[in-house]
Amino acid sequence: GAGVSQSPSNKVTEKGKDVELRCDPISGHTALYWYRQSLGQGLEFLIYFQGNSAPDKSGLPSDRFSAERTGESVSTLTIQRTQQEDSAVYLCASSLASGLATGELFFGEGSRLTVL
Amino acid sequence: DAKTTQPNSMESNEEEPVHLPCNHSTISGTDYIHWYRQLPSQGPEYVIHGLTSNVNNRMASLAIAEDRKSSTLILHRATLRDAAVYYCILRDVGTDKLIFGTGTRLQVFP
Repeated sequence: GAGVSQSPSNKVTEKGKDVELRCDPISGHTALYWYRQSLGQGLEFLIYFQGNSAPDKSGLPSDRFSAERTGESVSTLTIQRTQQEDSAVYLCASSLASGLATGELFFGEGSRLTVL
Repeated sequence: DAKTTQPNSMESNEEEPVHLPCNHSTISGTDYIHWYRQLPSQGPEYVIHGLTSNVNNRMASLAIAEDRKSSTLILHRATLRDAAVYYCILRDVGTDKLIFGTGTRLQVFP
């Protein structure tokens, strides 16, 4: 499809396990974002990739969270030693613009993570 | 990042106009005003953005105060499908980072 694709759509894991969430951005989009949304809450910024620049990791809540992006394609968000408070919907978005403050973000449907 | 303030919730009847306010008293000269909305169980979607002048598109209109310290998103005729959380966000030129607040939950009644 032409939109942002995220997988898995749902993930249930046990406390202490590691999880990987995948995001396929829209082809040609240089910017990629990860956000987290806990139940009934707003979106929490996690990390932002722009081309080959160093990612903005200022929103990652702890060192258990990391993300990688290969070039301008797929990104993986990894959560190590998951905790119950990590349960949330993890949203990925991509965008064309760079530093113009006008580019539209296109969001995926999200990956719902439940940590038991 | 400059902050925005929105009411937690608003209500409207179907086919009536809706005016969603946003205060951003600390806005800088290079901040663009963006609006996104999030329908239930979906990721957010772009609605509109502007800098100084009022803007119109197929989804909505954006009215920006002359001093830019506030703005209003206008839905000309609300439909049931417009029920969503609406986020007003300031975005500085030179960064692509978008910081969402808590937004306004709009309920639309038939």
